[in-house]
Amino acid sequence: EAGVVQSPRYKIIEKKQPVAFWCNPISGHNTLYWYLQNLGQGPELLIRYENEEAVDDSQLPKDRFSAERLKGVDSTLKIQPAELGDSAVYLCASSLGLGGLGTDTQYFGPGTRLTVL
Amino acid sequence: AQSVAQPEDQVNVAEGNPLTVKCTYSVSGNPYLFWYVQYPNRGLQFLLKYITGDNLVKGSYGFEAEFNKSQTSFHLKKPSALVSDSALYFCAYAGNNRKLIWGLGTSLAVNP
Repeated sequence: EAGVVQSPRYKIIEKKQPVAFWCNPISGHNTLYWYLQNLGQGPELLIRYENEEAVDDSQLPKDRFSAERLKGVDSTLKIQPAELGDSAVYLCASSLGLGGLGTDTQYFGPGTRLTVL
Repeated sequence: AQSVAQPEDQVNVAEGNPLTVKCTYSVSGNPYLFWYVQYPNRGLQFLLKYITGDNLVKGSYGFEAEFNKSQTSFHLKKPSALVSDSALYFCAYAGNNRKLIWGLGTSLAVNP
């Protein structure tokens, strides 16, 4: 079974430029998550989708970040414009179930390492 | 506040020796606890989880963890460490709305 796929793996951009990250979750997984991870720290949730609905985007900086999950499968996370402080690893994860308690395992992709110069 | 704590930033063990990576939790309700490992430049890999039932949970790569309700702990263990186990280990708790509450991570170094 294929895991969570993310692209690109690495991205270097100059500040104020736009950038987009793509995620393809494990087939059949209904819930998709985007996380931000700074070096040596745990992930921080940006947004969670159940199918195509964003059910938790409270930590997403909506002035510059946007996300979509059209058709409830693939997802794209965008930053426009990027700032120096956005340099981090952006992780996508997926899990099988919907709603309820968080007992489902979240499976993570390899991440996209963003460097903003 | 609900949280998990990893009291050690770094753990060093010799290859072949048993290893323990500590995690304690402070949560209300049922504690759903997870361990993940992160190798350099790679995403997080799921090791094991405790939902209910047997307090000793067996996971991937020979790791296991023991849920101890009286000590509010969920320590990760392995009987014999390998150099390849060197990585960053995260304990996490599944909070409300599927939100994982993460510890700060413990860097494990296994010395040959």
